[in-house]
Amino acid sequence: NAGVTQTPKFRILKIGQSMTLQCTQDMNHNYMYWYRQDPGMGLKLIYYSVGAGITDKGEVPNGYNVSRSTTEDFPLRLELAAPSQTSVYFCASSYSWRTRAKNIQYFGAGTRLSVL
Amino acid sequence: DAKTTQPNSMESNEEEPVHLPCNHSTISGTDYIHWYRQLPSQGPEYVIHGLTSNVNNRMASLAIAEDRKSSTLILHRATLRDAAVYYCILRDRNTGNQFYFGTGTSLTVIP
Repeated sequence: NAGVTQTPKFRILKIGQSMTLQCTQDMNHNYMYWYRQDPGMGLKLIYYSVGAGITDKGEVPNGYNVSRSTTEDFPLRLELAAPSQTSVYFCASSYSWRTRAKNIQYFGAGTRLSVL
Repeated sequence: DAKTTQPNSMESNEEEPVHLPCNHSTISGTDYIHWYRQLPSQGPEYVIHGLTSNVNNRMASLAIAEDRKSSTLILHRATLRDAAVYYCILRDRNTGNQFYFGTGTSLTVIP
């Protein structure tokens, strides 16, 4: 199983450019998440989705957009890149148990983004 | 959201047990305690979780205090591959949609 796949692995953007970070999972998980991790810090949730067509904001959603048209894919869009968005971005997915707090998240390898 | 407190860093000798503490004094009755770890340059990976009782799996053990205000992740025999940042996270059983990662404990394993 491939699990959670993120592309690209690395990217350098100029200020004001836009890009889409791709995330796909092959585990038929209904929950998917986007996090960012700044140097020396823990992960912060940007957006999450509980199923196709449903998304919700996390802790730090400003400057990002998401969509969920299929179960497998959950792309993250940066419209006007800013230096503050320099970070490592992780996508994750989980299966929805009846007791949702049991959900185990499976993470991708990350996308390292620099905005210069 | 309930918060957790962990030491910034710990060291352990290889092949010795490691006890990683976590304080969560504001934990609610519906919060599950989750542990994840992040190896260098990788995404986090699940280690273990529990609610009230102590838990064991092939990776580690989780000891939960009787009042649930603290917990300890136990690695029975540390290996060099266990060098990672370990995160203690609370998840509400009623929502469970969001993780709040702190800065975790950076574990160094000494050969």
